[in-house]
Amino acid sequence: DIQMTQSPASLSASLGETVTIECRASEDIYNGLAWYQQKPGKSPQLLIYNANSLHTGVPSRFSGSGSGTQYSLKINSLQSEDVASYFCQQYYNYPLTFGSGTKLEIK
Amino acid sequence: EVQLVESGGGLVQPGRSLKLSCAASGFTFSNYYMAWVRQAPKKGLEWVATISTSGSRTYYPDSVKGRFTISRDNAKSSLYLQMNSLKSEDTATYYCARIPPGRLPFFDYWGQGVMVTVSS
Repeated sequence: DIQMTQSPASLSASLGETVTIECRASEDIYNGLAWYQQKPGKSPQLLIYNANSLHTGVPSRFSGSGSGTQYSLKINSLQSEDVASYFCQQYYNYPLTFGSGTKLEIK
Repeated sequence: EVQLVESGGGLVQPGRSLKLSCAASGFTFSNYYMAWVRQAPKKGLEWVATISTSGSRTYYPDSVKGRFTISRDNAKSSLYLQMNSLKSEDTATYYCARIPPGRLPFFDYWGQGVMVTVSS
């Protein structure tokens, strides 16, 4: 199974800041990576797929990058509505696996 | 508007069975692979099952293989998850999720989730 190591586990940043969340795969996943946002008490929502493609309706302050085993999610100009947990998911191979999540708070 | 509405959750004793349903609307259900993903309380996400458009192909992780069965009824635009021999570690919110065209197995729409509690 492909293990997804996500960091940091939690993050506190100020409004307007830029934050970056990382995911490392235990083997090459060839850009088969998605990022999800889960607001408190809500279901997850797709942000990014294929490592760097923005899902429909997602604000352009969200971006994804990476290749091989290392991927990142960047949020520019942090806003209050970005308070959420963020998860990565690899879909290069079954079983599909998720990172453990990053909880983002506003400082 | 894509809508996925789960139902059938509740409290069940260890070793018993439960069947979840997901009613889909706002898209042509029969054209999409579908999946179940779960989230234990205060924990991360775990993929549970995937099914092809016709239902002929299914995929499971080892943690549920042989106990859970995913199925679908395209005429009713409905997805199901039959859960047998339930264990306390199956306690979670279960989400129905759609896999987008192209069939790369990530999830572009999720339901609101249904809670399953396995406890005596």
